[in-house]
Amino acid sequence: DTGVSQDPRHKITKRGQNVTFRCDPISEHNRLYWYRQTLGQGPEFLTYFQNEAQLEKSRLLSDRFSAERPKGSFSTLEIQRTEQGDSAMYLCASSLGQGAPDNQPQHFGDGTRLSIL
Amino acid sequence: AQSVAQPEDQVNVAEGNPLTVKCTYSVSGNPYLFWYVQYPNRGLQFLLKYITGDNLVKGSYGFEAEFNKSQTSFHLKKPSALVSDSALYFCAVRDYFTGGYNKLIFGAGTRLAVHP
Repeated sequence: DTGVSQDPRHKITKRGQNVTFRCDPISEHNRLYWYRQTLGQGPEFLTYFQNEAQLEKSRLLSDRFSAERPKGSFSTLEIQRTEQGDSAMYLCASSLGQGAPDNQPQHFGDGTRLSIL
Repeated sequence: AQSVAQPEDQVNVAEGNPLTVKCTYSVSGNPYLFWYVQYPNRGLQFLLKYITGDNLVKGSYGFEAEFNKSQTSFHLKKPSALVSDSALYFCAVRDYFTGGYNKLIFGAGTRLAVHP
């Protein structure tokens, strides 16, 4: 079990640029989640995939944000035209579950810290 | 709506003493509750969960949590604190009642400081 891997760990960019983050979940996990964590706060849900299907999106996920999981394995989160308020830690989590509600824990990666200059 | 509250921003405890980190929840239906720990510049590590059954749940690193339905609480406990337990602790509830697909709703976190 190699855990959830996120790349890059840190990203610094200028306002208005596009950025893309990658998440590799635990290999057998069918469910994948993206969260955003700002300083001093708990993580907030952004979006969720079951296999390759994106099943839920938060209102936090504006039209500048897009996420994909094309083959049901790794996932990417893209932010277009970044803004100062996008500065945060972006966390990916995965789990192996069936149905709802799911009693399996989500396993988190170490996150990508985004800083907008 | 589902929610959790962690009433203490910080908990200070001496090494070797018991520790408690508090969490209260508000849910419609039966709660699925989780505790996670976060070290600096790291992701969240799963400690334990309550789904159903015994109200005292045992987890990783000697932590346990007590589910209390009448008080809608799920406090994290450890009989003897270690300096290495110093970290940020998050309580979370699974949001499924509103038709969501199992996303977690987190509290704001409690910073635990264990002093030698």
